[in-house]
Amino acid sequence: EDQVTQSPEALRLQEGESSSLNCSYTVSGLRGLFWYRQDPGKGPEFLFTLYSAGEEKEKERLKATLTKKESFLHITAPKPEDSATYLCAVQAPGYSTLTFGKGTMLLVSP
Amino acid sequence: DAGVTQSPTHLIKTRGQQVTLRCSPKSGHDTVSWYQQALGQGPQFIFQYYEEEERQRGNFPDRFSGHQFPNYSSELNVNALLLGDSALYLCASSFIGPGVRAFEREQYFGPGTRLTVT
Repeated sequence: EDQVTQSPEALRLQEGESSSLNCSYTVSGLRGLFWYRQDPGKGPEFLFTLYSAGEEKEKERLKATLTKKESFLHITAPKPEDSATYLCAVQAPGYSTLTFGKGTMLLVSP
Repeated sequence: DAGVTQSPTHLIKTRGQQVTLRCSPKSGHDTVSWYQQALGQGPQFIFQYYEEEERQRGNFPDRFSGHQFPNYSSELNVNALLLGDSALYLCASSFIGPGVRAFEREQYFGPGTRLTVT
């Protein structure tokens, strides 16, 4: 059974204080690892897909990396508008369905 | 380019009733997946529809059923509602038709329908 564990559950940062979110996964043949951002009461917003170990992708202050067992979402010099829950999900071969972690709730204070 | 849309936004039902939620996929997408997200949890996969058929199903009882129409839009039906069915119901669309490589099946989510069962 595919499993995704995200840590920490919650993270509080000061504006400009860089940090990383972790996503550990167990899946039979990773087809893709996805990062989403979710604001309260809204649907997840697509951020990145990573397909193979060693791959990295960047978007503004966010950078996602992937190894064979985990993925990191690095947040550089965060701003209050980066406050949200960040979800990690894995996609197994055969179908495009996603298995999600519980998410990391990020709060960035000015 | 219209993204994924869902209706209604909010819904309040009584235990034992039935509910129907609707989803229109992103333009160009042919597959719809439904997820249930309880408060403080990640989304959980309910089922996926492609070519008007259920392709895959998660660990949800038969009270949860769905349908996909020829225009790729979809409905999620839940019968005999329980208090535990209260959640945010998310629809995600993707394209897995001919010519798309397996890993290019990125899913885009709609805003969700908040269902409250009292």
